[in-house]
Formats: sequence, C-alpha cells, structure tokens
Amino acid sequence: KQEVTQIPAALSVPEGENLVLNCSFTDSAIYNLQWFRQDPGKGLTSLLLIQSSQREQTSGRLNASLDKSSGRSTLYIAASQPGDSATYLCAPRGRDNFNKFYFGSGTKLNVKP
Amino acid sequence: NAGVTQTPKFRILKIGQSMTLQCAQDMNHNYMYWYRQDPGMGLKLIYYSVGAGITDKGEVPNGYNVSRSTTEDFPLRLELAAPSQTSVYFCASSYTGYSDTQYFGPGTRLTVL
Repeated sequence: KQEVTQIPAALSVPEGENLVLNCSFTDSAIYNLQWFRQDPGKGLTSLLLIQSSQREQTSGRLNASLDKSSGRSTLYIAASQPGDSATYLCAPRGRDNFNKFYFGSGTKLNVKP
Repeated sequence: NAGVTQTPKFRILKIGQSMTLQCAQDMNHNYMYWYRQDPGMGLKLIYYSVGAGITDKGEVPNGYNVSRSTTEDFPLRLELAAPSQTSVYFCASSYTGYSDTQYFGPGTRLTVL
C-alpha cells in the first residue's frame, strides 16, 4: 500500500516569502501525482497534476516537480500571499491500481500579512 | 455548471441509525469517488465507480454501501452508524480516471453519537 508523507505538517511565514512543500511516497510506480488545496470547511481544489513522464508542471506562482525514482514531489509557491493560506495535499495515483488515490495528511500553510 | 454537489452539509446520527449521503455531478463524468477525512488526516477512499452500474471498494469500505444507477448520482449509504464513522465525507468525480483532474464536492460533516 502506498504511504504518503508531507513535511512540514504546518508552516507559518510572512507575506512575500518563497515556499517549498514536500511530499514523499513509498511506491514509485505511479501514474501521476496531483496537488490539491483545501480551505477550512471546504472541499479540495486541484492545483496541479503532473504526469509520471513529466519532471515539473507550472501554473502561475505554483510549480510542482516530480522525482519518481526517489518517490518525491515538491510544490514551490513563489511570492506567497495571505490568500495562499490553506492546507495543501498531495495525492499520487498508482499505475497498477489507478482508480485509487492515496492522500498525504497535508501541510497547513499560514501566510501572515 | 453546479459541479459536484453534496447533501446534507451537516448531520448528527445516533448509534445504529442509517442514512444516505447524496452526491450528484453535472459534468457528465464517468468516474465518481467517495472519500472520508478524519481530523488532521488525509483522505481515504471508501468506494468508487467507473460508470453507471459499476462500483468497487476502496481502502475503507466496511460499514458503507454504494450504488450507481445513473451517470449523475452516486449515493453513499451508512448502515448501523458507529462513532468510528464520525468524519467529513467528500464526493469527487473525474472524466476518465486516468490523466485528468478530480473535482470535489464541499463535503458532508457527519457526527455519530
């Protein structure tokens, strides 16, 4: 079974900082990996989906990288803003069991004005 | 489009009661999923469906049942509710299940007392 770990569990930074959120997974045979954002009391919103054949994916101030062989993904947030405050979850999808996502427990981010 | 909708938003059940959580999507997605999220944890897959009439178990299916009679609807049934089923339940959908994004509903917060 895939085990997903996200470090740090919580992060508090002043506005404007560049951030790196880490995700590691135990089974490198993945089909793709998705990063989500979850606001308090809300559902998940997809931020980036990176295929196993890709090394990175970018959307605005967000950049996700994937190192499948080492079982790692990072989410880079440039020039953080208070509106970025949320919990960020990663979810690798297994190649052999692609209907199953395994989620990390997330990194709770607080960006202070 | 309304996207993925879930009802109710909140519910309190007594031990041994039953209920159905409703989920509907209007994006003509083939794949639908039910997850639960316990406090401070990631999401765990309960059941999923790859099309009308086809369902399969996820990681934590015990105590739940599903059906998928139409493309749009994917209800989750709780039989004989137990305190361990206290959680937030999320429904999600995607078009193909392979390389595209999952879209999530806002969640149902369930408490079993």
